[in-house]
Amino acid sequence: AHLVESGGGLVQPGGSLRLSCAASGFTFSSYAMSWVRQAPGKGLEWVSTIIGSGSSAYYADSVKGRFTISRDNSMNTLYLQLNSLRAEDAAVYYCAKVSVRGVLMANFDCWGQGTLVTVSS
Amino acid sequence: QLVLTQSPSASASLGASVKLTCTLSSGHNTYAIAWHQQQPERGPRFLMKVNSDGSHSKGDGIPERISGSSSGAERYLTISSLQSEDEADYYCQTWGTGMVFGGGTKLTVL
Repeated sequence: AHLVESGGGLVQPGGSLRLSCAASGFTFSSYAMSWVRQAPGKGLEWVSTIIGSGSSAYYADSVKGRFTISRDNSMNTLYLQLNSLRAEDAAVYYCAKVSVRGVLMANFDCWGQGTLVTVSS
Repeated sequence: QLVLTQSPSASASLGASVKLTCTLSSGHNTYAIAWHQQQPERGPRFLMKVNSDGSHSKGDGIPERISGSSSGAERYLTISSLQSEDEADYYCQTWGTGMVFGGGTKLTVL
């Protein structure tokens, strides 16, 4: 399995950004996928998880109502739409694969290299 | 509430062994956890899943000198024959209605 994130960059407070994660090496549609972020010098924070079909998604309270996770199984790509960005959303954003086929929540067994989001005026 | 607790730091000498601990919050001592390693300036890497009975399943390419175990609400990661490349942050992860991470342990190899 291999994951490659893209789409990070500098955005002003209140702005929007869309992150992408290209997946390869496994049957993408069979596995739930997640976004996890890491603020500078801090630990890992779960952001969101989406089931393999894309029909259900779950969010951390800190991003609920502002971020939207989605996926295109025909393109083997995961997305995260970030709206109403705040300074505290600045972080490296990682996509991660859930290890068990057909299960929403389980351990991650593959991570991307991350994409940096900077929120500043 | 499902919470994972880790010591912020640990250290051990080159060639020695170290045991890192991840503690599950009260009422959650049957939960499995996963260990992830994050070397400086890199993304995390899955090491292993550790079950409540101490059984564990490793990720691809994880050497035998790295192992996992359990006791009650504690989940352990043991690294033997420490090498310089083991110097990293180590995170435990579990799952319930969402994903939960411990705060991480920074391992220094002396």
